[in-house]
Amino acid sequence: QSVLTQPPSVSAAPGQKVTISCSGTSSNIGNSYVSWYQQLPGTAPKLLIYDNYKRPSGIPDRFSGSKSGTSATLGITGLQTGDEAHYYCGTWDTSLSAGRVFGGGTKLTVL
Amino acid sequence: QLQLQESGPRLVKPSETLSLTCTVSGGSISNVDFYWGWIRQPPGKGLEWIGSIYYDGSTYYNPSLGSRVTMSVDTSKNQFSLRLNSVTAADTAVYYCAREGPRIASMTDWGQGTLVTVSS
Repeated sequence: QSVLTQPPSVSAAPGQKVTISCSGTSSNIGNSYVSWYQQLPGTAPKLLIYDNYKRPSGIPDRFSGSKSGTSATLGITGLQTGDEAHYYCGTWDTSLSAGRVFGGGTKLTVL
Repeated sequence: QLQLQESGPRLVKPSETLSLTCTVSGGSISNVDFYWGWIRQPPGKGLEWIGSIYYDGSTYYNPSLGSRVTMSVDTSKNQFSLRLNSVTAADTAVYYCAREGPRIASMTDWGQGTLVTVSS
């Protein structure tokens, strides 16, 4: 059971928009910054979003992040078949001795 | 460009110790802005943070792994290492090393990962 809760799967058609939620508590998301990772099949995770909404160099602006209270959301617009992957949220939990925590992951299917 | 590469035995026997090393190139492991972490992913499952280490040797471990985990850093070789003792089949996973920071828990760069199987 992950500390952060994500939906197991989401799906949408090419060109559409999708959002992925990440729910936590006041000891993690509520008092820290959230990162989002994309894991394409057979590859290592890649940082998509950090500090709740910032994008590393090279990440297209089709990807966006937001945070409100104890929840965070990843948005992807203009869906492409190449976006089909697992997406994970992550943050820091103050109740776990400075432990880093991840969500259980969400499988995005582009229909 | 920063690169991280995991190395170590791919097969470990139950009750023995898993040992992995991450070699960092294209950047200094002594950079004060970053931590260095280990994350694992059992086959078909999600990510689990194992621990993080700072260049001065300060460590933070996942409480769920208890005292089985030890991490160390060798700044002269630009490497950091993981030891996980008393392994069982449940420790079979792809093990990733990563650079973390400047924000805590933001894993900015990842190694390609190495599958470690626990089996007799």
